[in-house]
Amino acid sequence: AQKVTQAQTEISVVEKEDVTLDCVYETRDTTYYLFWYKQPPSGELVFLIRRNSFDEQNEISGRYSWNFQKSTSSFNFTITASQVVDSAVYFCALRKGNFNKFYFGSGTKLNVKP
Amino acid sequence: DSGVTQTPKHLITATGQRVTLRCSPRSGDLSVYWYQQSLDQGLQFLIQYYNGEERAKGNILERFSAQQFPDLHSELNLSSLELGDSALYFCASSPLAGGGTDTQYFGPGTRLTVL
Repeated sequence: AQKVTQAQTEISVVEKEDVTLDCVYETRDTTYYLFWYKQPPSGELVFLIRRNSFDEQNEISGRYSWNFQKSTSSFNFTITASQVVDSAVYFCALRKGNFNKFYFGSGTKLNVKP
Repeated sequence: DSGVTQTPKHLITATGQRVTLRCSPRSGDLSVYWYQQSLDQGLQFLIQYYNGEERAKGNILERFSAQQFPDLHSELNLSSLELGDSALYFCASSPLAGGGTDTQYFGPGTRLTVL
């Protein structure tokens, strides 16, 4: 069975703090894809990153970075020097290799205060 | 802006009624997916269409149905509405049939309120 756990329901930080959002997944498949999506207060879901199970390289995009560790089945997301505009609900999702169904975590609500 | 459009943005209706939600995928995308987001169930995959044909089915109720038209836009029909159907309904699209590196891009959603 596939499962994604985002244990942090809500996190509050002050602007310019670094924050890490945790994502732990379960799957027995060797080929799978992990995703992060952002849902700002306006409601739309914005694609942030896709990572496949064979690529454990960490990725950095501006203030965003992702740490993928197969040994711990985790795909954590760090925002450096957070800004108020980062306030949103962040979803981690898992998709099996050649299948279409997404398994979404329950989301982590990030509040960045000025 | 993902390029996926959904109409209407908001919909308020009564129990027992039927509504239709519309989605236009990104230009060139062949797959359309429907999701329901509610407070208690989170984000749930409902159904996928690829180039006009049903490709994958998730937790879609029998009262709900969808289709994808030759121009690739899709409609989600919800009938005999119940209070519990109140939710945010997302449409997503992807270039291919899903799987592999295919990535889903989401529309802004339609917020359905059933009174």
